[in-house]
Amino acid sequence: GAVVSQHPSWVICKSGTSVKIECRSLDFQATTMFWYRQFPKQSLMLMATSNEGSKATYEQGVEKDKFLINHASLTLSTLTVTSAHPEDSSFYICSARDPGLAHTDTQYFGPGTRLTVL
Amino acid sequence: GQQLNQSPQSMFIQEGEDVSMNCTSSSIFNTWLWYKQDPGEGPVLLIALYKAGELTSNGRLTAQFGITRKDSFLNISASIPSDVGIYFCAGQKLSGANNLFFGTGTRLTVIP
Repeated sequence: GAVVSQHPSWVICKSGTSVKIECRSLDFQATTMFWYRQFPKQSLMLMATSNEGSKATYEQGVEKDKFLINHASLTLSTLTVTSAHPEDSSFYICSARDPGLAHTDTQYFGPGTRLTVL
Repeated sequence: GQQLNQSPQSMFIQEGEDVSMNCTSSSIFNTWLWYKQDPGEGPVLLIALYKAGELTSNGRLTAQFGITRKDSFLNISASIPSDVGIYFCAGQKLSGANNLFFGTGTRLTVIP
């Protein structure tokens, strides 16, 4: 299947700082990537859809000024958590569709980034 | 957002036993996906289903897309310790759309 990577795999930061998380499609070009957040023992919740070359689409309740998404190339999307606070501590996971596959609906996930805000 | 109801919530089984879990929704989905997530990792795709009634196998895993398009089940035969993890179903309503809805997850523990 398609390979998606994330960097860093974990990050600890002080409250008030900004953190950038990268999501890369390694063996395909992804015009669309997705960012999810997962709290402990809960399911994945979609935060936003990242579209290459255009603005991201945010889900209801997700602050676009706090979670900045940039999808500048067909293989890279970044999520920046600005002015992070302890309640932003979570597991952030990206996914991407491989448009080269017969079924383009299928999403492949990155390994996730554990964010801890002190 | 909408969530799919997954059951059971957790299972403790003996190694070698078969496992069955299912996912239901009040809405119709065009695609059903089953993922496995290990602790601290992203979900890994196990099986994808694209047609109502479709039955698909991947090794010891078998999944079916319900005829009503509102449910799906996943079976694991002859479980082994490495099957431990959380299994999520996910449904997508329209081809090309963004909306991938996740189930609440089934936590599987296999006792050697």
